[in-house]
Amino acid sequence: QSALTQPASVSGSPGQSITMSCAGTANDVGGYNLVSWFQQHPGKAPKLIFFGVSYRPSGVSSRFSGSKSGNTASLTISGLQAEDEADYYCSSYTNIGTLVFGTGTEVTVL
Amino acid sequence: QITLRESGPTLVNPTQTLTLTCTFSGFSLTTSGVGVGWIRQPPGKALEWLAFIYWDDDHRYSPSLNSRLTVTKDTSKNQVFLTLTNMDPVDTATYYCAHRGRYCSGGDCAPYMDVWGKGTTVTVSS
Repeated sequence: QSALTQPASVSGSPGQSITMSCAGTANDVGGYNLVSWFQQHPGKAPKLIFFGVSYRPSGVSSRFSGSKSGNTASLTISGLQAEDEADYYCSSYTNIGTLVFGTGTEVTVL
Repeated sequence: QITLRESGPTLVNPTQTLTLTCTFSGFSLTTSGVGVGWIRQPPGKALEWLAFIYWDDDHRYSPSLNSRLTVTKDTSKNQVFLTLTNMDPVDTATYYCAHRGRYCSGGDCAPYMDVWGKGTTVTVSS
């Protein structure tokens, strides 16, 4: 199975909205609503910020929103803040019950 | 409160077998729908999923590592074990375990990995 494709980097100014994509195939992202998103700050473990495409765990800011269209999932951060600067990874279950992560997107707050 | 902690050797020789332990609390691996996942991250690189083990003893392995990976559990001790054979320098990474739960609504269930351990760094070198 191949890693899901994410843009290497996305940047934005404080207060702006940014969107990052997560491209897969019909055997993973496109076939199921089982995409998760994780935020990872340097030297820290990943933190779950979305699952099931659009479920946000309690305690996660409502500035984060998720969606999916076809074989591509997206994560939008609105009202960008300095603390949002981190690496973001998507993941999806596959048609054989395995999991695949994305290549990761580095978010920079200008 | 769910917590997980990875433990094991920090340095492994090439060709050796790595065994890591994930010790957890705050949940039971006998509860329906619950599992533990293993994920690794080489220095400066992306996350890579390795395996799941579930409450019913079902397990899934990364296809690329399937022949080298084994995950087992000891529910009485709240521990999960990962074994990776024939270690190579490319296996140098931080290894994480994570709680895998699921949220069900209207007949549909969405799995998630909501709590992760802090990770343990393993270096493969002679």
